[in-house]
Amino acid sequence: QQQVKQSPQSLIVQKGGISIINCAYENTAFDYFPWYQQFPGKGPALLIAIRPDVSEKKEGRFTISFNKSAKQFSLHIMDSQPGDSATYFCATLGSASKIIFGSGTRLSIRP
Amino acid sequence: EPEVTQTPSHQVTQMGQEVILRCVPISNHLYFYWYRQILGQKVEFLVSFYNNEISEKSEIFDDQFSVERPDGSNFTLKIRSTKLEDSAMYFCASRTGLQGNEQFFGPGTRLTVL
Repeated sequence: QQQVKQSPQSLIVQKGGISIINCAYENTAFDYFPWYQQFPGKGPALLIAIRPDVSEKKEGRFTISFNKSAKQFSLHIMDSQPGDSATYFCATLGSASKIIFGSGTRLSIRP
Repeated sequence: EPEVTQTPSHQVTQMGQEVILRCVPISNHLYFYWYRQILGQKVEFLVSFYNNEISEKSEIFDDQFSVERPDGSNFTLKIRSTKLEDSAMYFCASRTGLQGNEQFFGPGTRLTVL
């Protein structure tokens, strides 16, 4: 119940394409769903986050789609760029505000 | 822009030795965290710290681990007797606690236990 399941493990997308990463959760008590971006040698950085009272949140080229009934949420990166190549983690917030991370998706954007 | 800093960036130690990983959280933050990431795996929560005491700890955070905020700026993670399986990246994070949930992560310390 404390897990967040993420797929795919790795993803290759052509420049200009749409990158889609999916996550599923089990605990309906979760009420905050962030996505983190991590570049090699760096710590995770918050990219975008959503609460379950909305079905979509968009910030620039990044969109979170949220399906409360299916307990799923996804990250869409529009017009993917080589600079977007990184590892992406979906997450949620557990007790004491600890972050529960998904397993990560290594995204590579081919020029 | 304020940021979380961590030292050292890389620590190599022998099995059984004690190590102390240091973090300087963002100055007005009140909540502090340690996470670790074994190479190629996901980031895992270790411990949260608030008001000079542990709020929550994971199963990983056993008696070999301890945290301390020895002064107003540093936040340390000590591993008393390191094991090979402690080799990982260790990330410190902090947040204000006043609004929002965003945790700001440091760049990490790579711990290698030989």
